[in-house]
Amino acid sequence: DADVTQTPRNRITKTGKRIMLECSQTKGHDRMYWYRQDPGLGLRLIYYSFDVKDINKGEISDGYSVSRQAQAKFSLSLESAIPNQTALYFCATSDLVPGRTDTQYFGPGTRLTVL
Amino acid sequence: DAKTTQPPSMDCAEGRAANLPCNHSTISGNEYVYWYRQIHSQGPQYIIHGLKNNETNEMASLIITEDRKSSTLILPHATLRDTAVYYCIVPGTYNNDMRFGAGTRLTVKP
Repeated sequence: DADVTQTPRNRITKTGKRIMLECSQTKGHDRMYWYRQDPGLGLRLIYYSFDVKDINKGEISDGYSVSRQAQAKFSLSLESAIPNQTALYFCATSDLVPGRTDTQYFGPGTRLTVL
Repeated sequence: DAKTTQPPSMDCAEGRAANLPCNHSTISGNEYVYWYRQIHSQGPQYIIHGLKNNETNEMASLIITEDRKSSTLILPHATLRDTAVYYCIVPGTYNNDMRFGAGTRLTVKP
């Protein structure tokens, strides 16, 4: 979905390095999410944010941190990257409208390799 | 939060209807069923969702059983470009966690 962009699209880094993955959206949604996907598996939630002042841990938050700089921007950081964080990372957005459901829209993904 | 069960893989002939089943026997009364698909390693694409009534949009139809314990996604005229992994999801109640599992790998064959 072109309304949700992720940078970089590919990143190779070394063990111990700090890296940041960025997500931007033009959909005007309040809610943003970070997921990771390992080969052959489904997506798992890392962190989510329901508005600019709200940050919550997901299923697998250890080793990660996030920053919600604005409604449209949600960054994921790996403070000290390790090889088992090699994965495909997806950002998603949604907007809960009263009386309606909360459909998520995903970005194109960032492929991260930690050597 | 409800868990879903899907067959790991299915094949479908091009031009035929693809019927993808999903079991969600522990779904509660106010939980929606969502379907997404993922082509190669692209971002998951929203297809359709429903609560209790059958739903149809330009991509697919969703049939939900009366007891809501299972559903079927129908792609009426499958094309080669519909080859993808299809996920049936009941989001987490409090955090909207999409809880993607392994999904069903649909292969559309000529």
